[in-house]
Amino acid sequence: QQQVKQSPQSLIVQKGGISIINCAYENTAFDYFPWYQQFPGKGPALLIAIRPDVSEKKEGRFTISFNKSAKQFSLHIMDSQPGDSATYFCAASTPLGGSRLTFGEGTQLTVNP
Amino acid sequence: DTEVTQTPKHLVMGMTNKKSLKCEQHMGHRAMYWYKQKAKKPPELMFVYSYEKLSINESVPSRFSPECPNSSLLNLHLHALQPEDSALYLCASSLGVLQSYQPQHFGDGTRLSIL
Repeated sequence: QQQVKQSPQSLIVQKGGISIINCAYENTAFDYFPWYQQFPGKGPALLIAIRPDVSEKKEGRFTISFNKSAKQFSLHIMDSQPGDSATYFCAASTPLGGSRLTFGEGTQLTVNP
Repeated sequence: DTEVTQTPKHLVMGMTNKKSLKCEQHMGHRAMYWYKQKAKKPPELMFVYSYEKLSINESVPSRFSPECPNSSLLNLHLHALQPEDSALYLCASSLGVLQSYQPQHFGDGTRLSIL
């Protein structure tokens, strides 16, 4: 119930392409869904987050799409750049979880020049 | 540069040593966290402090001992660690723990190697 399943495990995209990473969850008590970006040797950095009262949130080239009925959410990176090459983690938390984040297993994104 | 500062960046210690990891934030956050991250894996929660009191201990072995001296500082005291404890130790902070949508801000971690 507490799992967040993330796919794909790795993704290779050409520069200028669209990168799509998907996550699915079971626990309907989750009410906050952040995405983190992590570069080698660095800590995870909050990229964008969404709450289930909206179906889409866009910040620059990054968009979260949220499907509450399907219990799925995804990250779209438009016009992908080599500098976007990193590991991306989706996560979820509940209001009773004491801010405990449940992370997906991560997606290693490589954007080729 | 991240707003959560962790020191040292790298630490190599023997299994009989005692060392401490330090974390500092000046964002006025009242919740602070310790995570452990193994290579190619997501962070695993270890401890949560809320208003300087330990609120969550994820059944972490007693060889890890957290301390929160004040609202800006978080320490992790290490003693008699095992080789499998080698990992990246991440500190994070958030405004509070009472609501789920308080984003957590991570430091860049301490890379710990146990010989």
